Amino acid sequence: GAVVSQHPSWVICKSGTSVKIECRSLDFQATTMFWYRQFPKQSLMLMATSNEGSKATYEQGVEKDKFLINHASLTLSTLTVTSAHPEDSSFYICSATWGRVDHEQYFGPGTRLTVT
Amino acid sequence: AQRVTQPEKLLSVFKGAPVELKCNYSYSGSPELFWYVQYSRQRLQLLLRHISRESIKGFTADLNKGETSFHLKKPFAQEEDSAMYYCAITQGGSEKLVFGKGTKLTVNP
Repeated sequence: GAVVSQHPSWVICKSGTSVKIECRSLDFQATTMFWYRQFPKQSLMLMATSNEGSKATYEQGVEKDKFLINHASLTLSTLTVTSAHPEDSSFYICSATWGRVDHEQYFGPGTRLTVT
Repeated sequence: AQRVTQPEKLLSVFKGAPVELKCNYSYSGSPELFWYVQYSRQRLQLLLRHISRESIKGFTADLNKGETSFHLKKPFAQEEDSAMYYCAITQGGSEKLVFGKGTKLTVNP
C-alpha cells in the first residue's frame, strides 16, 4: 500500500513553454502532498507544500507564479512549470502523506524535466 | 533554521564490515529524525525513524541529543545495502522534511 505515482516520468520541452507534472496517491487519500526538486548529485529541496482544497505554501525563494501547484482532490496534485527555461531542468519529486502522526511521506518515482 | 549535515558524500566498505553513516542536525526544539534510502533506479523510501526505535534490514540509528547526531549503523554490511542514504528532520508538529545532502554507500564484494 501507500503508492504514489508521477506522470510523466520524463519530459522534454522547449524554452518558453509550460509543462504539467501529475502526482497521484493510488491507494490512499493524501491530505498533504509535497513537491521537491533535486539537482544532479544533490539533495532534495522542498519547493512547496500542498493541501487539498487550499493554496500551496511555497518555500522561500521558490517563485509561486512560475511553479503553479494545484491540489484539486485528495489523490491528485499537479505542478505546472510555466514559461520553462533551461535552468528549470531538474528532477521533480512529489511525496504524499495522510497526516499520520509519524509523518511518514511516500515518494513518487520522480519526473525528469529537460528544457531545451 | 533546521539543518542536517551528512559529512560523507561517499562511503565504501567491504561486505561483512561494519558501516556507519553520519548525520548531525541543528535544531533547538524536539526534532523527529528519519533515514531515507534510495536504491538504484528506485524511489526514495523510509528506512527508519527515531521515534519507532526499530531495526530495519539490520540498520539501527540512535538519537543522541547531546551530540545532536542520528548516525545510521549496521554491524555487517551487505552488497544489497549499496544505495543513497538521506538523513532528514522535521520539527515538532510539522510534516515538512529537511534533507541532508546524502551519502552514497557502496558495499564491495
